[in-house]
Amino acid sequence: SQTIHQWPATLVQPVGSPLSLECTVEGTSNPNLYWYRQAAGRGLQLLFYSVGIGQISSEVPQNLSASRPQDRQFILSSKKLLLSDSGFYLCAWSVRVRYEQYFGPGTRLTVT
Amino acid sequence: GNSVTQMEGPVTLSEEAFLTINCTYTATGYPSLFWYVQYPGEGLQLLLKATKADDKGSNKGFEATYRKETTSFHLEKGSVQVSDSAVYFCALARLSQGGSEKLVFGKGTKLTVNP
Repeated sequence: SQTIHQWPATLVQPVGSPLSLECTVEGTSNPNLYWYRQAAGRGLQLLFYSVGIGQISSEVPQNLSASRPQDRQFILSSKKLLLSDSGFYLCAWSVRVRYEQYFGPGTRLTVT
Repeated sequence: GNSVTQMEGPVTLSEEAFLTINCTYTATGYPSLFWYVQYPGEGLQLLLKATKADDKGSNKGFEATYRKETTSFHLEKGSVQVSDSAVYFCALARLSQGGSEKLVFGKGTKLTVNP
């Protein structure tokens, strides 16, 4: 069966520090991968998606970037965090030509 | 464009009450529709889905029917439990210009069930 992992689970970082969040998927090949941010415990904002290694599309301009160095690994990064980067970050995967997405457990980021 | 509108929460019910969470959508063509559930501090879980008009998705006592005429996908459960307390998201699927599949989410409805 397929599983998705995210780490760390929680993170507290000062403003201006770098960020690296990692997401890995097991049990499937060549998935679509997604990064979302959820602010204020409610709505979801799609940040990035990837259809293959090295292929990243950004949904909104922001202080963050994403990379996909391996087929089942998706990384969210920032060089300098802002207070507004605080939130709950969710990684998700889907099978090609299937629409349903499966989410990881999330990373709670607090920028102080 | 594609969008999803959910009823505003929060919704508070007593155990064994009937639940309805309204969801309507705007989309071109016939998108696939989904309900996701998020328990406190966790990621989203797929609850049910429907891929064409008149399809009924069901899981764990929850049901939703794809109504093309009213562009709706309302979530229902006959008898809620305390363990159903969570945030519920309605979503539709669309293809982006690059051919990748994306989901458009509603803002979520928080449900609290009291014993």
